[in-house]
This record gives sequence, C-alpha cells and structure tokens, in this order.
Amino acid sequence: GAVVSQHPSRVICKSGTSVKIECRSLDFQATTMFWYRQFPKQSLMLMATSNEGSKATYEQGVEKDKFLINHASLTLSTLTVTSAHPEDSSFYICSAPAPGWEQYFGPGTRLTVT
Amino acid sequence: AQSVTQPDIHITVSEGASLELRCNYSYGATPYLFWYVQSPGQGLQLLLKYFSGDTLVQGIKGFEAEFKRSQSSFNLRKPSVHWSDAAEYFCAVGSPMTTDSWGKLQFGAGTQVVVTP
Repeated sequence: GAVVSQHPSRVICKSGTSVKIECRSLDFQATTMFWYRQFPKQSLMLMATSNEGSKATYEQGVEKDKFLINHASLTLSTLTVTSAHPEDSSFYICSAPAPGWEQYFGPGTRLTVT
Repeated sequence: AQSVTQPDIHITVSEGASLELRCNYSYGATPYLFWYVQSPGQGLQLLLKYFSGDTLVQGIKGFEAEFKRSQSSFNLRKPSVHWSDAAEYFCAVGSPMTTDSWGKLQFGAGTQVVVTP
C-alpha cells in the first residue's frame, strides 16, 4: 500500500528555536496533506490542510505564524514549529488522502521542547 | 456541535475473548465512519470504513463494525482477540457534505486495548 514517511521520528529542541518536520509520500503524489497533533493519551486534532502550490488552510484556533506549513512539491509537505515552547511538545502526524476517503498516515514525529 | 465519543478510555481483555469498542457520533447527517488502529512506531492503519449500504462492515484483521443509525453508533467488534491486537483504537468521522470538509477526519479520544494471556 501507499506509504507516508515522516522525518525526524523524534526531535528534542530548546525553547525558542524552530523545528522542521517533513512529511513525504513515497510512492504516490499528494496534492493535499493533513497535519494532526496528538497529545499523550488523547485524540488526534486536525491542525491544518497543506495544499501543493498554495497556502495552507488552518483549523480554528491554530496559530498560523507558529506552525508554518509549506507544500513545496507533490511528495513533500513540511511543518515548521517556530519559536517552540514546552507547550508545543506533542506528537505530530501527517496524512495524505487517497480516493475513497482513505488516508495514509505517517508514523508521527515526537517533539520535545526543553 | 459535531462530536465523536469513545466512552471507554481503556479496555482489558483476555486473549481469545471477544472485544467490542464503542463509538457514538453527533453529526447533522450520517457521516462517513472509520476505525483506525495505532501501534507504537507505526502510522494509523485503517481497519474498516462505512459510507452507506450494508450496516455490518467487515474489515481487516478479523474486525467488523456495525452502523446503527438509530443509536448514532458504529461499534467495532472482534470475536477472538489475539495478543497482537493490543493497541490504541480510534473511531473517526468525516463529513462529505461540503468541499471544505473533504477528506478531513474528526477523531474520538481513542480506546487503549490491553490483551492479557
């Protein structure tokens, strides 16, 4: 089946720095990708929709300037957490939709901000 | 407001026993319904989905789910659990009614399943 990868799988950064997370579709093209955030023992919350060649659309309550999304190609979307703070520590997951409403999820990136 | 509820945060089941995970939703119209499983280090995997038609849906790994419109429920079942079924299970709904919502999923809080020998 289709595969979505994320890099890095884990990252630790200091407060105030920025971190970039990559999401790649390995064997298919994805004009749209979704970014989710998952807190420990909680559900996935949709953060934004990444659109190739255009601006991302953000869900209500998500800070656009904090979470920068770039969909530079049909196989790559990036999420940059800018000026990260400990409260940004979370598990970030991307997905790419497929026909029939199926979605292919990446394995996630664990961000820890110290 | 639209919502997805998984009432059970944690379920412990013996290997070989049956399993049922509950999911209730509140949407204006019947949404698309999904069950995903999340294992450590792996992406969410789709177990099954329901769009319309037969209310009993068969999925992978021996799972099935039943859509009950009157109860706004989409419960997941497995007749005999294996140790490898220990994981986090998420119910999710999607609303196909508008282009803005296309592909977007709203997830329940998840149910952690522990399988004992």
